Amino acid sequence: AQSVTQLGSHVSVSEGALVLLRCNYSSSVPPYLFWYVQYPNQGLQLLLKYTTGATLVKGINGFEAEFKKSETSFHLTKPSAHMSDAAEYFCAVFHQTGANNLFFGTGTRLTVIP
Amino acid sequence: EAGVAQSPRYKIIEKRQSVAFWCNPISGHATLYWYQQILGQGPKLLIQFQNNGVVDDSQLPKDRFSAERLKGVDSTLKIQPAKLEDSAVYLCASSTQRVYNEQFFGPGTRLTVL
Repeated sequence: AQSVTQLGSHVSVSEGALVLLRCNYSSSVPPYLFWYVQYPNQGLQLLLKYTTGATLVKGINGFEAEFKKSETSFHLTKPSAHMSDAAEYFCAVFHQTGANNLFFGTGTRLTVIP
Repeated sequence: EAGVAQSPRYKIIEKRQSVAFWCNPISGHATLYWYQQILGQGPKLLIQFQNNGVVDDSQLPKDRFSAERLKGVDSTLKIQPAKLEDSAVYLCASSTQRVYNEQFFGPGTRLTVL
C-alpha cells in the first residue's frame, strides 16, 4: 500500500526565511513523488516531481525537494520565502495499482509573514 | 495551450437536489480524472477515464454519483440526490496516455449543500 504523511497542517515563516514543508511516504515499490501547490480558489499546479534519476529535484518558483529513500522522505524547501508563496501545498505519491493514480497527503498551509 | 476547463465554478444546492459538473480536458489528453476535495483534506480520486472507458471507479459512491465521458473528450459528473457531506470542491484533471503520472488540474467546482 502507498500513503503520504505531511507533518504540520500549518506552517508560518517570515518573508525571506527558509521554507521547509515535510512529507514522508510509504510505498512497497519505488515511488513517484510529487509536490503540488494550490492557491485560493484555484486548482492544483505541479511544483516538481521525482520519478527516477537525480534525487534532488528543482521545480518552479525556486522550490526544490530531495528524495531520501533511507528516510522515506520528500521534503520541499525554498531558501527564501516570498509573500506570493502563501498557499496550500500537497505532497502526492503515484499509486501503481494498475489504474495508476495519485494519492495525496492532507496538505500544509503556508503563511508568509511580512 | 488551454488548460483544463470546469464549470460551474460555484454551486449551492439543497440536500436531496441533483447537480452536474462539466469538465473539458486539455486537448489530446486521453486520461481524465475526477477528484473530491473536502475542506482540510487532500484530493481523493472518484473516477478515472481512459478515453471513454472507466479505468477506476472504486471510490465513487455509485448509489448517488455518476460520471460519463462520451466521445472520450469532455466529461460530466452528477450527484443525485446530494447529501450534506457532498459539500466539497470537485476537481477535474487530465493527462496524456503515455504519462499517467503527470496530471493537470482544472480550477474546480465548489459545491455547497445546505
